[in-house]
Amino acid sequence: DAKTTQPNSMESNEEEPVHLPCNHSTISGTDYIHWYRQLPSQGPEYVIHGLTSNVNNRMASLAIAEDRKSSTLILHRATLRDAAVYYCILRDKPIIQGAQKLVFGQGTRLTINP
Amino acid sequence: EPEVTQTPSHQVTQMGQEVILRCVPISNHLYFYWYRQILGQKVEFLVSFYNNEISEKSEIFDDQFSVERPDGSNFTLKIRSTKLEDSAMYFCASSEALLWGKDTDTQYFGPGTRLTVL
Repeated sequence: DAKTTQPNSMESNEEEPVHLPCNHSTISGTDYIHWYRQLPSQGPEYVIHGLTSNVNNRMASLAIAEDRKSSTLILHRATLRDAAVYYCILRDKPIIQGAQKLVFGQGTRLTINP
Repeated sequence: EPEVTQTPSHQVTQMGQEVILRCVPISNHLYFYWYRQILGQKVEFLVSFYNNEISEKSEIFDDQFSVERPDGSNFTLKIRSTKLEDSAMYFCASSEALLWGKDTDTQYFGPGTRLTVL
């Protein structure tokens, strides 16, 4: 799996937007960019994923650079509940059908100040 | 919303004892996984399971570990002879099968079982 680089930690204030960066300069053409997060004392939770175009869902937005070597997870209005470790993970399109593991890095620990 | 459940939430055992961690994946999912997270460290993949057999396993998943889908709903992880270093949070996850036109999946994780080996 291609490697991603994220800042170890970030801090933001409640009700402000948060931009979480991820660098993946060795991304291949078939790698999907996935974001998961892990709230304190919980299992990881899917946030969003994309391939080339920017994506929006009810939780967040994903902005993907034109060259795909970086991406940014955007939380439009952070709440205290968004305090978590955020993981940027690259996943290749599987060659054959089958279970495909997630490879977690250290992620970015996001702190939200009230 | 359907969710992955795990039991027990906390298991305490003596070194050398066998433990079985249980998971109920989301009902229409076909891919199953176990991950673990040692306190303060990153989430690590252990094993994936599909069509009643192991798809992939990591170096951590040695002969002391086994997985089973004993019936249509449960997915279990057995550690035959626990060691102190097996103390960790163990997460079960499941995902739908990849269908035609769908190139990637979303994994849904359970709340975890905290295993403490004394």
